[in-house]
Amino acid sequence: AQTVTQSQPEMSVQEAETVTLSCTYDTSESDYYLFWYKQPPSRQMILVIRQEAYKQQNATENRFSVNFQKAAKSFSLKISDSQLGDAAMYFCAYSPEGGAQKLVFGQGTRLTINP
Amino acid sequence: SAVISQKPSRDICQRGTSLTIQCQVDSQVTMMFWYRQQPGQSLTLIATANQGSEATYESGFVIDKFPISRPNLTFSTLTVSNMSPEDSSIYLCSIGPGLNEQYFGPGTRLTVT
Repeated sequence: AQTVTQSQPEMSVQEAETVTLSCTYDTSESDYYLFWYKQPPSRQMILVIRQEAYKQQNATENRFSVNFQKAAKSFSLKISDSQLGDAAMYFCAYSPEGGAQKLVFGQGTRLTINP
Repeated sequence: SAVISQKPSRDICQRGTSLTIQCQVDSQVTMMFWYRQQPGQSLTLIATANQGSEATYESGFVIDKFPISRPNLTFSTLTVSNMSPEDSSIYLCSIGPGLNEQYFGPGTRLTVT
């Protein structure tokens, strides 16, 4: 079974600085998708960024970028120029290629932004 | 992007009773999902609900405890039956419009006393 591990339960960063959240996963599949979701204290889950495993290029969305290392099964999220609104729980998620489209989530990392 | 709403947003229920949670989407979607998020925990998939077919339950979740309906392409319900305090969680629905992405509703916070 696929598993997703986030080894950092909590992280903090100074406003305007850069922080990297770690995620590793375990799968025997070659084609899959990886995601980072953000859950602010209001609890609405928001999709931050996605990565297709067949793409070598790392995904970027404005201040958010990933470092996808397929061989190492690593998928970290970098947040640049951190803002107070970035404070949230961040979940890494895996979805296998194919019709089921299930999401397997990691345990989450709580990110605090210090003003 | 689609707007997803859930009712109720929160509820406090007595043990032994049942609660039905509604999930409404403002556009038609084939795939809908129900997740449970226990206090301070991550999300766990309960079941996948596709219109026109029986829901597919994940290991550890059974239809008698979590019956699901999917009468059309914009609506689904999840019932939490014969509740116990261990069922206190946030229940979230999500939609899968494609490319394996999922978008989530605001959640229903359930407390069982």
